[in-house]
Order: sequence, then structure tokens, then C-alpha cells
Amino acid sequence: SAVISQKPSRDICQRGTSLTIQCQVDSQVTMMFWYRQQPGQSLTLIATANQGSEATYESGFVIDKFPISRPNLTFSTLTVSNMSPEDSSIYLCSVGGTGGSYNEQFFGPGTRLTVL
Amino acid sequence: GQNIDQPTEMTATEGAIVQINCTYQTSGFNGLFWYQQHAGEAPTFLSYNVLDGLEEKGRFSSFLSRSKGYSYLLLKELQMKDSASYLCAVRDQGGGYNKLIFGAGTRLAVHP
Repeated sequence: SAVISQKPSRDICQRGTSLTIQCQVDSQVTMMFWYRQQPGQSLTLIATANQGSEATYESGFVIDKFPISRPNLTFSTLTVSNMSPEDSSIYLCSVGGTGGSYNEQFFGPGTRLTVL
Repeated sequence: GQNIDQPTEMTATEGAIVQINCTYQTSGFNGLFWYQQHAGEAPTFLSYNVLDGLEEKGRFSSFLSRSKGYSYLLLKELQMKDSASYLCAVRDQGGGYNKLIFGAGTRLAVHP
């Protein structure tokens, strides 16, 4: 299984500011995904981070609000821009396709964001 | 469209067996995952089914019927530490990417 780390683990931010979350994987992976989990709810996919091209966003999520970088096969960042209290959530990085296997998908420890 | 349904809450007794059901409708099915999530923690991978039938892994088993759009997670010899949310997720290859679509999760409470 892949070992995934995220930074920061948690943060408290002011309305109108931006936060960049980092995701680092210990092996090269084809696909990286960013999810959001709002309090008491399940996971919602924000976007698929593609190496060498723009991210693919799900309905309801836009690049201006959630810009994503994927500079190489082991790293990605998600920025939450112009934050509001509604963005308070856990943001999770997920990877799949490690070692060519598509029967696994793992999650990082998450970043717990509180917006005041 | 995509739709994944699972019960919101279940309770069970320590030592017993519990079955958590999941039904789904997706446009491009490419596998079904079950995850366990304890409060405040990230989801932990439990199982993956892509072919019909039962996959057994220790105390946990997962079943899939693609024709019925149905899966279940079976937990045997329940322990108190099994109290958690269990998430059913379907891999959808629509659009060319194998993304996971999650159900709302089932909160399981195991009591003595």
C-alpha cells in the first residue's frame, strides 16, 4: 500500500484567505484525487489531479476556487481560495493505481480546515 | 446518473454478525470498495470487488452482484472496535477516469 502524507494536518483560517494543502506519496502513482468531507457527511470528489495536464473537476467545483497542481507523480497540492465558513471541512488526498494495481485506493490522513 | 444507497445506522451486539447492504446505479461500473472510518480519522481500505461473488478477508467479507447493482459487507465476531462508519464506494470510469463515488456511509454501533 502507498504511504500518503498531508500538510498541514489542521488549520484555522480567516474568511477571505487561501490555504494550500500538500499531498506527498512515497511511490509514483498514476492517479491522485482530492476529496472533501463536510462534518457528519460522506466523501465528495472535488477533482482528479493529472500529472502534466489540468485537473478534472467534478460538478459544483471550479478551478478558480480549488486550484490544483500536480508537478510530478508523487506530489499534488490543493488550494482552497477566498475561504468562507462553508469551506470548513476535512480535505483528503487519495491515490490509486500504485504499482499498476487498480484494485486499491488509499487515503491520506486528511487536513481539517476551520474557517472563521 | 449515479446513486449509492446504504442504511444510515445499524446496531449490533459484540460477538454477533452484521451485514451492511449497498445498492448502486452508475453509468460505468468498474469495481466496488468498502472502507471503514473511525470518527476523526481517514477512511481505511477494507475490500474491493469487481467480479460477482464473495471475497473473504479475515472477519470481513464482501459480496457483489453486478446484475442487481448490489453489494454487502459482512462483519463476523463483532468487536467493540468495529464501531465505526462503513462507506460503500463505486468506481466509475465515466469520462475516462476511475474515480470513486461514495455512499453516505453506515454508522455501526457495537454494544456489549
